[in-house]
Amino acid sequence: SQQGEEDPQALSIQEGENATMNCSYKTSINNLQWYRQNSGRGLVHLILIRSNEREKHSGRLRVTLDTSKKSSSLLITASRAADTASYFCATYKAAGNKLTFGGGTRVLVKP
Amino acid sequence: DAGITQSPRHKVTETGTPVTLRCHQTENHRYMYWYRQDPGHGLRLIHYSYGVKDTDKGEVSDGYSVSRSKTEDFLLTLESATSSQTSVYFCAISESRDSEAFFGQGTRLTVV
Repeated sequence: SQQGEEDPQALSIQEGENATMNCSYKTSINNLQWYRQNSGRGLVHLILIRSNEREKHSGRLRVTLDTSKKSSSLLITASRAADTASYFCATYKAAGNKLTFGGGTRVLVKP
Repeated sequence: DAGITQSPRHKVTETGTPVTLRCHQTENHRYMYWYRQDPGHGLRLIHYSYGVKDTDKGEVSDGYSVSRSKTEDFLLTLESATSSQTSVYFCAISESRDSEAFFGQGTRLTVV
């Protein structure tokens, strides 16, 4: 079973709008990571947020983590057509030493 | 892209044949992983390695074996390929167990 579950499964927005996707997980984690996958390509790491952090930024990306709710969100501001991709959250647990991925959110940014 | 090369990139094989996929890295990272990606399942961990000759099972390891005789190479073997193993296989590496992972471009395997 997947540790992280993204919501929504798919998202369609206009260029310039913000895109928000959420990730929920079931058990305590050491860190949570977000990845992007363009069609037919490998995954690219975006941001890693540790369990003692609440928010991180990287360029147009903002990630929050709420360990009490076991959830994280990824916000892409001022989206571009090039942001069209699938976005995955992945949770790391030291116990078990595993990075576990969710099913992903497919984002379509229309020009 | 991080120095990760997967080979082959595409393969079609027959049911019952053994298949070996290769992952080669030039980053000298300690950890290496094999994932499979299927529609509706995201990425699932098959096996991983935390050093030369040190490997462990992931969540979908049945029917797969791995070997790591050198830091730079991690091999995934399907001992007797089945149609359920048709998938896209990704290799990943990381410097430490809790750090970001870098992925290869994937191998699309079709078992007919």
